[in-house]
Amino acid sequence: GIQVEQSPPDLILQEGANSTLRCNFSDSVNNLQWFHQNPWGQLINLFYIPSGTKQNGRLSATTVATERYSLLYISSSQTTDSGVYFCAAPDPYSGNTGKLIFGQGTTLQVKP
Amino acid sequence: EAGVVQSPRYKIIEKKQPVAFWCNPISGHNTLYWYRQNLGQGPELLIRYENEEAVDDSQLPKDRFSAERLKGVDSTLKIQPAELGDSAVYLCASSVEDGPYEQYFGPGTRLTVT
Repeated sequence: GIQVEQSPPDLILQEGANSTLRCNFSDSVNNLQWFHQNPWGQLINLFYIPSGTKQNGRLSATTVATERYSLLYISSSQTTDSGVYFCAAPDPYSGNTGKLIFGQGTTLQVKP
Repeated sequence: EAGVVQSPRYKIIEKKQPVAFWCNPISGHNTLYWYRQNLGQGPELLIRYENEEAVDDSQLPKDRFSAERLKGVDSTLKIQPAELGDSAVYLCASSVEDGPYEQYFGPGTRLTVT
């Protein structure tokens, strides 16, 4: 099946700093989602971004499908941004289904 | 619009005991997913429903796990008997249809088997 790799695995920032998280995938995909898992375990949808660039407040994401990667940008980070960030893509080997394959996540800690 | 609802949020049981998790998807969402998330890893799909039909249960350990989605709305995932290795977070998600559509997740059930 498809491989989804995220980097870096861990990231520590001072409040106010900017960061870029990367997601590489081994095969062509027709969807990509970014999630934030908060300390209580809830997966919160950040972006549904098969291609192109989207922005939502201090967060933005870019997917370059032809080069098989996606980037999540966090600007002016806040302590509430702490948690684990996952990217996920449907497995093309399971047909046109919604079986999401997740990366291992990037654990972000924002210090005050 | 209400999100995906799951209960219970936490469950602690002894090994060999049965346990059940319940999920109510977003209204109007035909496709329902159960994922399992082990500590330090991303979620992995257990079973996928299109309406009331289980269309992909290849990752479900069928010797001890079972699931149902009566009337194509709520779903229940059961483990009987539970083993120590079943300790994990069980996540339910839904989407409007099967395919490359945005999935929305519930808060999950954290299971601890002692």
